[in-house]
Amino acid sequence: DAGVIQSPRHEVTEMGQEVTLRCKPISGHNSLFWYRQTMMRGLELLIYFNNNVPIDDSGMPEDRFSAKMPNASFSTLKIQPSEPRDSAVYFCASSLQGDQSFFGQGTRLTVV
Amino acid sequence: SQKIEQNSEALNIQEGKTATLTCNYTNYSPAYLQWYRQDPGRGPVFLLLIRENEKEKRKERLKVTFDTTLKQSLFHITASQPADSATYLCALPSSASKIIFGSGTRLSIRP
Repeated sequence: DAGVIQSPRHEVTEMGQEVTLRCKPISGHNSLFWYRQTMMRGLELLIYFNNNVPIDDSGMPEDRFSAKMPNASFSTLKIQPSEPRDSAVYFCASSLQGDQSFFGQGTRLTVV
Repeated sequence: SQKIEQNSEALNIQEGKTATLTCNYTNYSPAYLQWYRQDPGRGPVFLLLIRENEKEKRKERLKVTFDTTLKQSLFHITASQPADSATYLCALPSSASKIIFGSGTRLSIRP
């Protein structure tokens, strides 16, 4: 298995534009997590899914953020409209039964 | 509210010495605790998991302890090497599947 795959690796966009981050979890894993990492706030959990169902989105900062998991092999995190303070590294991770999490390489988002 | 604290932002030690990192938590009763390593520009990588009924766990030069009374975990790297330089994160489940991470300790091993 290639591990958790995220795309794109880097994204530079202008303020106000829509940004979509993508994630392919490890096959067979039933939990998927979206995290945001910044120097100031560390690694923050935004939302997690269990068996494709969103369980807890209390970490999603604002309504501008939304996440979907249409099937077991794909998830998206969308920011619309994007703002400079959204600049961060966004990680997707997957796990089986809440055991060790496997992280993707992350997407470095810069909003100018 | 639930909180995880890692003792320091950065730790610098001499090669060959034992590095000890601390993770404290409050308002939790986790069934287990995890430690991860993160290198610059990469995602965290799982190292060890220790359960509440385990006092200590070892993996090669790594040792983790878990004191549920003190609400603390210690992470030790013995015979440290420059290649051990990285950020180390502890993580706890705040619910069945929801994993929360500490802010991390940046460890630097000088030759």
